[in-house]
Amino acid sequence: QQPVQSPQAVILREGEDAVINCSSSKALYSVHWYRQKHGEAPVFLMILLKGGEQKGHEKISASFNEKKQQSSLYLTASQLSYSGTYFCGTEGGNQGGKLIFGQGTELSVKP
Amino acid sequence: KAGVTQTPRYLIKTRGQQVTLSCSPISGHRSVSWYQQTPGQGLQFLFEYFSETQRNKGNFPGRFSGRQFSNSRSEMNVSTLELGDSALYLCASSLDRQGSGEKLFFGSGTQLSVL
Repeated sequence: QQPVQSPQAVILREGEDAVINCSSSKALYSVHWYRQKHGEAPVFLMILLKGGEQKGHEKISASFNEKKQQSSLYLTASQLSYSGTYFCGTEGGNQGGKLIFGQGTELSVKP
Repeated sequence: KAGVTQTPRYLIKTRGQQVTLSCSPISGHRSVSWYQQTPGQGLQFLFEYFSETQRNKGNFPGRFSGRQFSNSRSEMNVSTLELGDSALYLCASSLDRQGSGEKLFFGSGTQLSVL
């Protein structure tokens, strides 16, 4: 039931791009993305809803393939501040309205 | 607007004891959810309360329980603590119930250590 994220970890240089993937075995209503910096609370980035609606950060882009139950988060021209652990959360299928998170992707951006 | 407040920030307990954690949601938010975070396990869903009713529960033993008060504040209780209960417990609030596409606002968490 837990969505699967890939990669588990990635190291970038400033200015490089990265893609974080999230996939589920169940039909989804929505996908959430959050970022957690070390020692801090997770912070909302984006929600992608079935049907194409998106809510979230202007500088973050993501996609949601409803048929494949997959979502990808695109981080372009990365900055040091992008470092942290990224979590995707999924709603829908037989989860009974629960928001279930993946295991996280640790992103490190180096100077 | 004040954020989600969790108290206490740190707790140290011994096996067999019980513990109560508190969460005050953002004003106006009616849903409070609890998650357990351990290294490598991500955020594991414990339960969600909406309008004082438990809507959903995760796959945790009955030692984990919670409640929500009329002002939307929530408490989580863990009885008969085990070493494996050591974790960061995060509370999150949202305007509406989970499953409605509402974003969550997380508190800073309570770090529980069981010795």
